[in-house]
Parts: sequence; structure tokens; C-alpha cells
Amino acid sequence: GQQLNQSPQSMFIQEGEDVSMNCTSSSIFNTWLWYKQDPGEGPVLLIALYKAGELTSNGRLTAQFGITRKDSFLNISASIPSDVGIYFCAGLSNFRGGSNYKLTFGKGTLLTVNP
Amino acid sequence: DAGITQSPRHKVTETGTPVTLRCHQTENHRYMYWYRQDPGHGLRLIHYSYGVKDTDKGEVSDGYSVSRSKTEDFLLTLESATSSQTSVYFCAISGPGRRNTEAFFGQGTRLTVV
Repeated sequence: GQQLNQSPQSMFIQEGEDVSMNCTSSSIFNTWLWYKQDPGEGPVLLIALYKAGELTSNGRLTAQFGITRKDSFLNISASIPSDVGIYFCAGLSNFRGGSNYKLTFGKGTLLTVNP
Repeated sequence: DAGITQSPRHKVTETGTPVTLRCHQTENHRYMYWYRQDPGHGLRLIHYSYGVKDTDKGEVSDGYSVSRSKTEDFLLTLESATSSQTSVYFCAISGPGRRNTEAFFGQGTRLTVV
């Protein structure tokens, strides 16, 4: 089946530093999504990317949809303590050659921010 | 917030017993998903639905079945619970148009099989 390789698995940084994480796959995806999960909660959508090459920002977050459609990255600038959590990438693909879709998730990046 | 409710939020059950988890949505979205989350594995897709009575298997479907008799409810059943099914289960939904790719998650159900 399709797999997303998300890296790094974990990061420990100082407040104010910039962060970068990425996802790669051998499969092509139509859409890339980035989520954040706080402890005890469900993942929350941060950014959605719809076109190859697309670069999108949401506050201090910036994400890009790779040209090959097989990868995406997420950057967080000037990190703050509340950025702590698990970040997931997700790729959307068609199945059965039709108009139905399914989402595949990476294994997540655990971010720790030291004040 | 998307209108997704999972029930129960927590459950402890014995090995061999059947368990049903419920996901209820008020958004009238077409797609619904069940994921399980385990340390080191991230989110893994169990089953998903692309319409009423239309479901398909995900990557870890063994030991699970689902049903969707109406748009708003997606049920996940463990026919005979095993300890390996101890996990946190998340339901997600996604809707029409371009935004049908943007999945929104419930708060999760923590299931412990003893």
C-alpha cells in the first residue's frame, strides 16, 4: 500500500528557532495536508495544499507541495512553547480510478520546544 | 469546529467481547474514516466510507468491521476484542468540493482490552 515517510521522527528545539519537517513517498498524491495533534486531542488541520509547487502560509507556518507530487514540507518560524505537539503529514489519493479518495498519514514528528 | 462526536470516549473491555464505537457527524459530509493511533505507528486507516452503505478496507482492517446505514453515523465493530486492539481510535470526516480533501477529526476513543 501507499506509505508516507515523515522525518524527523522527533525534534527538540529552543524557543525562537525555526523548524522544518518533511514527508516523502514513492506514490503521487493529489493533495497534501498538515495536521497538529495536542495531547489527548484529535489532529487539527493546519494547512492544505492542492497543486504541485504550491506554497502556502498560515501565520508562522509555511508548507509546500512538491513539484513531483511525491513530497511536501512544513516550516515553522520563530517557534513558541505552544508549538509543542505531534505534526502529521497526510496525502490524498484516488482509489479505484474514480472520484473517491482516501487519506494516508505519515507517522508524525514529535516537536518539543524548550522555553 | 466540525460537528463530530465519538462515543464512548473511554472504554475498558475484556478479551473476546464485541465492542462497537460510534462516530456521529452533523456536517452531512460524504466521507468518513476510522483510524487507530499507536505509538510508533502514527495514524493507520482501518476502514473508510464514501457514502451510505459504501465502505472499503484500510491498511489494518483485520478484526474490524464497519457499517454506515445513514450519512451521519459510521460504526466500527470489533467482533471479538483482542489485547492488540488496545488503542486510541479516531473518526474523521471530509466533505464536498475541493474541501472534501480536508479531513476533520473527532476527539478520539481510548479503548483498553484486558
